[in-house]
Amino acid sequence: GNSVTQMEGPVTLSEEAFLTINCTYTATGYPSLFWYVQYPGEGLQLLLKATKADDKGSNKGFEATYRKETTSFHLEKGSVQVSDSAVYFCALSERSGNTGKLIFGQGTTLQVKP
Amino acid sequence: DTGVSQDPRHKITKRGQNVTFRCDPISEHNRLYWYRQTLGQGPEFLTYFQNEAQLEKSRLLSDRFSAERPKGSFSTLEIQRTEQGDSAMYLCASSLAGTGGISPLHFGNGTRLTVT
Repeated sequence: GNSVTQMEGPVTLSEEAFLTINCTYTATGYPSLFWYVQYPGEGLQLLLKATKADDKGSNKGFEATYRKETTSFHLEKGSVQVSDSAVYFCALSERSGNTGKLIFGQGTTLQVKP
Repeated sequence: DTGVSQDPRHKITKRGQNVTFRCDPISEHNRLYWYRQTLGQGPEFLTYFQNEAQLEKSRLLSDRFSAERPKGSFSTLEIQRTEQGDSAMYLCASSLAGTGGISPLHFGNGTRLTVT
């Protein structure tokens, strides 16, 4: 079945460091891909998305490129801030069946130290 | 856009009791989803509705779980005869599905259930 695998956390970085959180997926079809973020005490928020190969999603300095050949959607940010500390979830949505439901990875905790 | 609202935020119950959670989606959204999230894991899909019709249920949704969306607006998730393994965060999300596709899911803050 369809699945999403994220790199193990926690990831601990100093402020202004470069961030990469790896995400790979397995899908029978041609999914849409998402990154959601969960700040402490808050609900999941959509961070960015991409719907077709080579699309780049971007928001708040974060970027991820839909790579069909490597089935990946790695999240990157050039310079992290303390306020980026959160749990990041990669997710896919199957196109077939038009359900819109998301399949999530296990999440990666990011801690940014000043 | 007032967001997705869930009630209560926290629920502590004794094993064997029944509990019911409520979700109010974004008003113009016709789809509503329920997920369960345990500590250190990503959310797992439970079920979803389009308007009042329940279109899919996960194998995770045992017979003790039932969800309704009677008028196509708010939804309730009931767990009967709770077990300690039901302890989790229960998340609700909504989206708009139309001819142009499906909008991204908007999540509520969740209801945290603790079964003692």
